[in-house]
Amino acid sequence: NAGVTQTPKFQVLKTGQSMTLQCAQDMNHEYMSWYRQDPGMGLRLIHYSVGAGITDQGEVPNGYNVSRSTTEDFPLRLLSAAPSQTSVYFCASSYSWNYYGYTFGSGTRLTVV
Amino acid sequence: AQTVTQSQPEMSVQEAETVTLSCTYDTSENNYYLFWYKQPPSRQMILVIRQEAYKQQNATENRFSVNFQKAAKSFSLKISDSQLGDTAMYFCAFMDSNYQLIWGAGTKLIIKP
Repeated sequence: NAGVTQTPKFQVLKTGQSMTLQCAQDMNHEYMSWYRQDPGMGLRLIHYSVGAGITDQGEVPNGYNVSRSTTEDFPLRLLSAAPSQTSVYFCASSYSWNYYGYTFGSGTRLTVV
Repeated sequence: AQTVTQSQPEMSVQEAETVTLSCTYDTSENNYYLFWYKQPPSRQMILVIRQEAYKQQNATENRFSVNFQKAAKSFSLKISDSQLGDTAMYFCAFMDSNYQLIWGAGTKLIIKP
């Protein structure tokens, strides 16, 4: 049981490049979400999904796109990377949108130069 | 808006001592969850302890316990008999009625040998 798998673990991008951060879970969780973690701040919600085909914006969605074509996968796309998007990104999943238990991936450290 | 405040950016104690991490939050809701998460250098987000607001009894998990003061909106974490492996960032988080997590900025805890 792998839990929540995030790839890559580290990435360096140039300003203006695009990329996709991958998140996959094998627990048949309905709810999935993306957070970013910046120094001196708590995690902030970027986008979330309550089930396949359904996504919504969180607190800091600008510059990011998501889609949820399957229950297992929830990729996060950076359309045109900016230095302000340098951060650690976490994917988390839960049995349901209204369940308190989250499982986190191990994070992706992204640096935009 | 709901907020979570961790007033101690960094703390350090000797191994085997007891340490208390502070957390306060602001909400007008009556039913909610509170969490403490541990983030070691591996970056993995690990659930330490959970408290349901409707429960008066403070949650306990082995060496970890909380002091939950609902009226004061305070949720501190006590670590007894601290160990070197407890060295990590500790995050306090509040789960609102929409089951979204709102995070504090974290406390860096260093256990010295």
